[in-house]
Amino acid sequence: EAAVTQSPRSKVAVTGGKVTLSCHQTNNHDYMYWYRQDTGHGLRLIHYSYVADSTEKGDIPDGYKASRPSQENFSLILELASLSQTAVYFCASSERFPEQFFGPGTRLTVL
Amino acid sequence: KTQVEQSPQSLVVRQGENCVLQCNYSVTPDNHLRWFKQDTGKGLVSLTVLVHENDKTSNGRYSATLDKDAKHSTLHITATLLDDTATYICVVGDRGSALGRLHFGAGTQLIVIP
Repeated sequence: EAAVTQSPRSKVAVTGGKVTLSCHQTNNHDYMYWYRQDTGHGLRLIHYSYVADSTEKGDIPDGYKASRPSQENFSLILELASLSQTAVYFCASSERFPEQFFGPGTRLTVL
Repeated sequence: KTQVEQSPQSLVVRQGENCVLQCNYSVTPDNHLRWFKQDTGKGLVSLTVLVHENDKTSNGRYSATLDKDAKHSTLHITATLLDDTATYICVVGDRGSALGRLHFGAGTQLIVIP
């Protein structure tokens, strides 16, 4: 079973501040993904990556940046956090599409 | 526009009862459909995946069906346990390659009471 960890598990940020969410996987998966989950809605893809040092935009990339410095690590960056970015964020990794293994999530509250 | 609709939104059953969760979708093409279980505050764990027209799968007390013509899937949980309390999420993949996207339903919240 793939091991995907996220940090922090929860965070409170102020509007306009910078937030970095981190994801780490230990199974040498090439693909990594960032999703957000809002109450009453399905997960939506923000950014993804097929290989280290490269990222791609997902369906809702506005207001987010991503960084993949190594195969194991994938970060999501909110340069100027806004109220609308309050959500639960999930990281996932996969060896091959479409199977994905999800982390436990990070609950972000922007005040 | 939501392309994956799940019903009911929430469901309460007594331990030992059976239940059925529904998933209707409009995703095209529909390469595969997967059911996930999400415990409160946890990540998504895959229960089963359906790929072919009229596929049926079984994983312990969980069984699922897929009707690609109707773009409809059901997840059956037999003899529910308290640990089945969770949100069940239906996900449709539009391709079987890295070019594809996963389309997530909002989930059905199942609560199992003693």
